[in-house]
Amino acid sequence: EAAVTQSPRNKVTVTGGNVTLSCRQTNSHNYMYWYRQDTGHGLRLIHYSYGAGNLQIGDVPDGYKATRTTQEDFFLLLELASPSQTSLYFCASRDSSNSDYTFGSGTRLLVI
Amino acid sequence: GEQVEQRPPHLSVREGDSAFITCTYTDPNSYYFFWYKQEPGASLQLLMKVFSSTEINEGQGFTVLLNKKDKRLSLNLTAAHPGDSAAYFCAVRFLSSGSWQLIFGSGTQLTVMP
Repeated sequence: EAAVTQSPRNKVTVTGGNVTLSCRQTNSHNYMYWYRQDTGHGLRLIHYSYGAGNLQIGDVPDGYKATRTTQEDFFLLLELASPSQTSLYFCASRDSSNSDYTFGSGTRLLVI
Repeated sequence: GEQVEQRPPHLSVREGDSAFITCTYTDPNSYYFFWYKQEPGASLQLLMKVFSSTEINEGQGFTVLLNKKDKRLSLNLTAAHPGDSAAYFCAVRFLSSGSWQLIFGSGTQLTVMP
């Protein structure tokens, strides 16, 4: 069964701080996604990738960078964190041959 | 681009009653439709995936209806029980500029009271 593991589970940082959220999937899925979840908005797509070295911009990319270092690993980078980036972040993966998404358990980020 | 509107944002029902959640979408070329359940502190759990060619799908304790004419996707939890208390999200998958995209509704917080 495909697994998506996110770390850390919780993170607190100060405004202007540098944060990296990690995501690893173990089923060699092509696609990986970063979403943020905020009350009243559902999940919104930040960035996604369809393979190592590839990066695509999502719907709410401002203030975020991402890097797909390997097939398994996808990182979300906040280089100058702001309170507006306080949110619950989900990573997901999907194989290109089907429409099923596998979600991680989420990372709760608080920027103070 | 595609827009998905989900209603209601909050829903409270008594145990044994039905709970009805609806999403409307705008892109007539949407192909796949999803309902997810999210329990507190947990990730999203896929309840059902519906293809555009199928209008009614039944799961364990719920029914999903797709009305392509009205561009409406509905989730009906029949005989709800307290274990159904969770947030529910619809999602619509559509093709945009040659790439598949997934748009989520804003969610419905369901509370089932004993």
